[in-house]
Amino acid sequence: DTEVTQTPKHLVMGMTNKKSLKCEQHMGHRAMYWYKQKAKKPPELMFVYSYEKLSINESVPSRFSPECPNSSLLNLHLHALQPEDSALYLCASSQEQGVDEQFFGPGTRLTVL
Amino acid sequence: GESVGLHLPTLSVQEGDNSIINCAYSNSASDYFIWYKQESGKGPQFIIDIRSNMDKRQGQRVTVLLNKTVKHLSLQIAATQPGDSAVYFCAENNSGTYKYIFGTGTRLKVLA
Repeated sequence: DTEVTQTPKHLVMGMTNKKSLKCEQHMGHRAMYWYKQKAKKPPELMFVYSYEKLSINESVPSRFSPECPNSSLLNLHLHALQPEDSALYLCASSQEQGVDEQFFGPGTRLTVL
Repeated sequence: GESVGLHLPTLSVQEGDNSIINCAYSNSASDYFIWYKQESGKGPQFIIDIRSNMDKRQGQRVTVLLNKTVKHLSLQIAATQPGDSAVYFCAENNSGTYKYIFGTGTRLKVLA
């Protein structure tokens, strides 16, 4: 299995809602990543987990809360988002955190109303 | 031809021609580079990578060239096909920060 899966594919939420994005990989990778991508822009790194511990937080607002329950799963909990948070949220994984090939999931298209 | 403006830079090529997509990277300490292809509605897909101890690497129909002197990376696609139409991103990483930084992207349009 060389795939990163993400659910849901699309999500529409209001500014007072709480929702979660899920990411899963079964490649035995020990590093997992969350990126945010706005239209016509490159992906921007948000968080990096290495061996289930948060390694990098790119000064992301606290309304985004990552969680890595085990080595195969990565969640992104969302609360009190703003319309400008609407974007494609991409999950990726790599063998280790380092100079290593990253595999991306298809993303979750998030719309905040 | 190539155009740069308020939108993604776009490269239009005839089917069967070779394509060259360029990328200027920012950090002279970066020592690993990846080219990604992103089709509409999908996540980025790995195409080819290169480490800083090399200046050229070839894959199937693709070649990456690295010029560290001027911090420039290029992706060459031979015999471009309609399925190559996508947005292409370069990404740089350095073993100091282990963070990937993506370039602005280039849209490749293949004309029949």
